[in-house]
Amino acid sequence: DAGITQSPRHKVTETGTPVTLRCHQTENHRYMYWYRQDPGHGLRLIHYSYGVKDTDKGEVSDGYSVSRSKTEDFLLTLESATSSQTSVYFCAISGQGSDEQYFGPGTRLTVT
Amino acid sequence: QQQVKQSPQSLIVQKGGISIINCAYENTAFDYFPWYQQFPGKGPALLIAIRPDVSEKKEGRFTISFNKSAKQFSLHIMDSQPGDSATYFCAVRAGANSKLTFGKGITLSVRP
Repeated sequence: DAGITQSPRHKVTETGTPVTLRCHQTENHRYMYWYRQDPGHGLRLIHYSYGVKDTDKGEVSDGYSVSRSKTEDFLLTLESATSSQTSVYFCAISGQGSDEQYFGPGTRLTVT
Repeated sequence: QQQVKQSPQSLIVQKGGISIINCAYENTAFDYFPWYQQFPGKGPALLIAIRPDVSEKKEGRFTISFNKSAKQFSLHIMDSQPGDSATYFCAVRAGANSKLTFGKGITLSVRP
């Protein structure tokens, strides 16, 4: 998985609780992305980062925030989890000027 | 508005046959067209990709055919094997390090 780890790999949480997912890379790549994958929707971009402390919204950013204080770590926070945020979350990385995006192993999140 | 549409929605092929998956897009600004392969419980992995300055790219049993005028590209898997059974996503992108927009994915099953 191209030097990308995600934690936790599985999580069950209750509606209304905050949740933070972590993506860690060892490739020193500048660009990092958070996607969610849902049946019938493919992969949809939540937020992305183009450098430390530089982030921007994707197409499904409502209810999510991100932070990147170090090159290697990109955090995704669900401020108050809802059942509609039950999904599989993938982190991806990409080098400067590179075409390829490499994906992590994913985090399966269930909100009850 | 769905920017990229995959067809068919699912595909069953006999071992040794040819699998063909199609992808149609709207925006002529897209400049990078990858196919990703995903096995259950894993993250998507880049399989093969093409830029619009060529009409075909082959890597082993996998070929991308690109039709710029029709705004379509397709993935051909020759001599399909049961190990090719997976979900396949096409994606499009406009500019290096910009976001990928994915199709909804299709499930390929290769029967022994």
